[in-house]
Amino acid sequence: AQSVTQPDIHITVSEGASLELRCNYSYGATPYLFWYVQSPGQGLQLLLKYFSGDTLVQGIKGFEAEFKRSQSSFNLRKPSVHWSDAAEYFCAVGTLNTNAGKSTFGDGTTLTVKP
Amino acid sequence: DVKVTQSSRYLVKRTGEKVFLECVQDMDHENMFWYRQDPGLGLRLIYFSYDVKMKEKGDIPEGYSVSREKKERFSLILESASTNQTSMYLCASSLFMDRGWNEQFFGPGTRLTVL
Repeated sequence: AQSVTQPDIHITVSEGASLELRCNYSYGATPYLFWYVQSPGQGLQLLLKYFSGDTLVQGIKGFEAEFKRSQSSFNLRKPSVHWSDAAEYFCAVGTLNTNAGKSTFGDGTTLTVKP
Repeated sequence: DVKVTQSSRYLVKRTGEKVFLECVQDMDHENMFWYRQDPGLGLRLIYFSYDVKMKEKGDIPEGYSVSREKKERFSLILESASTNQTSMYLCASSLFMDRGWNEQFFGPGTRLTVL
């Protein structure tokens, strides 16, 4: 069965600093990988996704992520964090399931942005 | 834009009550999901449905049931609410993709408190 690990429960960065959120997955085949963001009191919104091809994917709000098969990782990055990026971030792996597109989610990383 | 709506943002119920949480999506998606979200536990899948009247148990189905009579609507039912079902409930939908390209679109969530 697939699994996702987000090693950092909580990260604090200063506004304008760079950000990297870690995600490691376990899956026996080619993974379908996602990053979602959840602002306080809201549902999750897709930031970006990796299906195949270029291992560096660009997403919304200036985020990018890099798929590294050798490290089973899909880390999320942003070169300069804005105060509005404070939120909870979830990494997810999608399954090849012909009945439904289930995803397994990590436990999330909460990002705090200092002024 | 895909829109997933949930019938209530906040709900307060008493122990033993029967509770209905409604979710509606407007993009003709085949798949629909119910999750609960608790601090430190991430998103846990309760039930999902890949077609009308079709459902499968997720990771934590105990104490819950679901109904999908129409494609756009997926209901979560708590037959006899208990205090340990106090949580944030998130509904999501996704398009059927047999190759697993299955990003999910989330509703805003229902925060349920059982007293």
